[in-house]
Amino acid sequence: GENVEQHPSTLSVQEGDSAVIKCTYSDSASNYFPWYKQELGKRPQLIIDIRSNVGEKKDQRIAVTLNKTAKHFSLHITETQPEDSAVYFCAASIEREKVTFGTGTKLQVIP
Amino acid sequence: DTGVSQDPRHKITKRGQNVTFRCDPISEHNRLYWYRQTLGQGPEFLTYFQNEAQLEKSRLLSDRFSAERPKGSFSTLEIQRTEQGDSAMYLCASSPGTADEQFFGPGTRLTVL
Repeated sequence: GENVEQHPSTLSVQEGDSAVIKCTYSDSASNYFPWYKQELGKRPQLIIDIRSNVGEKKDQRIAVTLNKTAKHFSLHITETQPEDSAVYFCAASIEREKVTFGTGTKLQVIP
Repeated sequence: DTGVSQDPRHKITKRGQNVTFRCDPISEHNRLYWYRQTLGQGPEFLTYFQNEAQLEKSRLLSDRFSAERPKGSFSTLEIQRTEQGDSAMYLCASSPGTADEQFFGPGTRLTVL
């Protein structure tokens, strides 16, 4: 089955700096890669996603890149703000089937 | 609120008791998923339905666990003879048949004493 690894497990940045979270996946059949943000005690919420036919996608301060050959994908958050502090999960999926999540990155943005 | 809802939000039970959770998906979403999340970990897939058909079950879903979606709308997840290791957040998600995005509910936090 699919295995998703995520690094780092914790990340502290100064407000205004950029944050990068990296993930790898194992199943070359995976074709959908969502990123979820989860605040303490709340549900995971989708912040951005990318499909395997696209190499990069951007939405305001958030961007995701995908390297299918290397089976790597990354989340980039620019101009970080304190409200970006949360746990971020990368994930991989095949055609609306089950989603396999990474182990999470706890992001702390220091004001 | 038109999002995914789950009931109850919290459940405390004693070891050996049976518990049942309910998930109401977003209206007209034909896919429904159950995940389990323990502290400090990402959600782990348990099972999913397309309409009333259960399409896949994880190896995590032992014979003490059963899920149903009898009319293709709401779903229930039952855990029989609960164990302390079952303590976790149980998350439900739904998605339309035409898109990949899964929308999560608030979860049911189970504590087994």
